[in-house]
Amino acid sequence: QVQLQESGPGLVKPSETLSLTCAVSGASISYSYWSWIRQPPGKGLEWIGHISYSGSTNYNPSLKSRVTISVDTSKNQFSLKLSSVTAADTAVYYCARAPHPTVNFDFWGQGTLVTVSS
Amino acid sequence: DIQMTQSPSSLSASVGDRVTITCRASQGISNSLAWYQQKPGKAPKVLLFAASRLESGVPSRFSGSGSGTDYTLTVSSLQPEDFATYYCQQYYSALYTFGQGTKLELK
Repeated sequence: QVQLQESGPGLVKPSETLSLTCAVSGASISYSYWSWIRQPPGKGLEWIGHISYSGSTNYNPSLKSRVTISVDTSKNQFSLKLSSVTAADTAVYYCARAPHPTVNFDFWGQGTLVTVSS
Repeated sequence: DIQMTQSPSSLSASVGDRVTITCRASQGISNSLAWYQQKPGKAPKVLLFAASRLESGVPSRFSGSGSGTDYTLTVSSLQPEDFATYYCQQYYSALYTFGQGTKLELK
């Protein structure tokens, strides 16, 4: 069974960089596509971007200028960095897997709440 | 990007009712559509993919249909555990987008 677990600071100051890591178990990160998705409190889901097993990335254009997703195959994990955050970036951040870029997300992490506040 | 419009945004129903949720894409998505169920404080869980294929372990009271731009999720006989929020998601475009969600509440 594939399991994903997000980790990182729960509080980030405005204008700083949000950094999260997703540890993957039960599957090799050297296969599939690995995404970050967020959900502001009480709102819907927004896809942030993904990274492939080969390290190629694709980002939501609305966030592209601030987002970096990277992978560490030695630790079987991938990471998200979102720069210049504001209160609008407050959300539950999920990591998720899609076996292929043209299929659905099949496994999700439990999510982690990140609050942007001074 | 492809816009996904779900309706209704909320729905009140009783145990045993049959309910239908609709999702409309701003362009054709060739059945590249998934439906997710989300309960409070939990991650979304996939119910159906490819518009009508049931994910393993999902009860058969859930079904999906549609083509082109219009898709539906039907629950044939609501059970207490089905009261949750439902999202559609298209993966036809590499810019994945979700519907705004339908909150299914107990009447």
